[in-house]
Amino acid sequence: KAGVTQTPRYLIKTRGQQVTLSCSPISGHRSVSWYQQTPGQGLQFLFEYFSETQRNKGNFPGRFSGRQFSNSRSEMNVSTLELGDSALYLCASSLDANQPQHFGDGTRLSIL
Amino acid sequence: AQSVTQLDSQVPVFEEAPVELRCNYSSSVSVYLFWYVQYPNQGLQLLLKYLSGSTLVKGINGFEAEFNKSQTSFHLRKPSVHISDTAEYFCATNDYKLSFGAGTTVTVRA
Repeated sequence: KAGVTQTPRYLIKTRGQQVTLSCSPISGHRSVSWYQQTPGQGLQFLFEYFSETQRNKGNFPGRFSGRQFSNSRSEMNVSTLELGDSALYLCASSLDANQPQHFGDGTRLSIL
Repeated sequence: AQSVTQLDSQVPVFEEAPVELRCNYSSSVSVYLFWYVQYPNQGLQLLLKYLSGSTLVKGINGFEAEFNKSQTSFHLRKPSVHISDTAEYFCATNDYKLSFGAGTTVTVRA
């Protein structure tokens, strides 16, 4: 069974640009969550989607948005990039809330 | 909101020695607890989970954890570590989202 796939693995952007990250969940998993990992703040929850609907959202500004498609694939978008957005962005999928989440290898975003 | 606290930021250990990583959680009615491991340049891998039932949970790679309700703890143990266990370990709780501890870096030396 294929795991969670995130693309691209690495991205370099400059301040003010926008970026879109992609996540393909494990087949059959309908819940997709996104996390940001930084050395200073650790792992922080961004948002969770289930059946194309955002069910939960963390404490991030509106520049961070996402969506989920009918095949459960999800995208995350960050607009007007800031230096502080440099981080590892992790996607996780699960059958539903409170079920174990399975993570992809992440997208490492660097802002110059 | 539920939360977890990892009591050790770094744990150096010699190969074939036992290791224990400590995690305390905030009490709540329903508790779902997890341990994840992160190897360099990789995502998080689920080691084990406690959803209900037996308080001793066995996971992958020889790890186990014990859920202790009276002490609100969920410590991770391995009786004999290998060099390949060098990684960062995260304790987490789940109430619609995973809330992670700050992580414990385990360095195994020969």
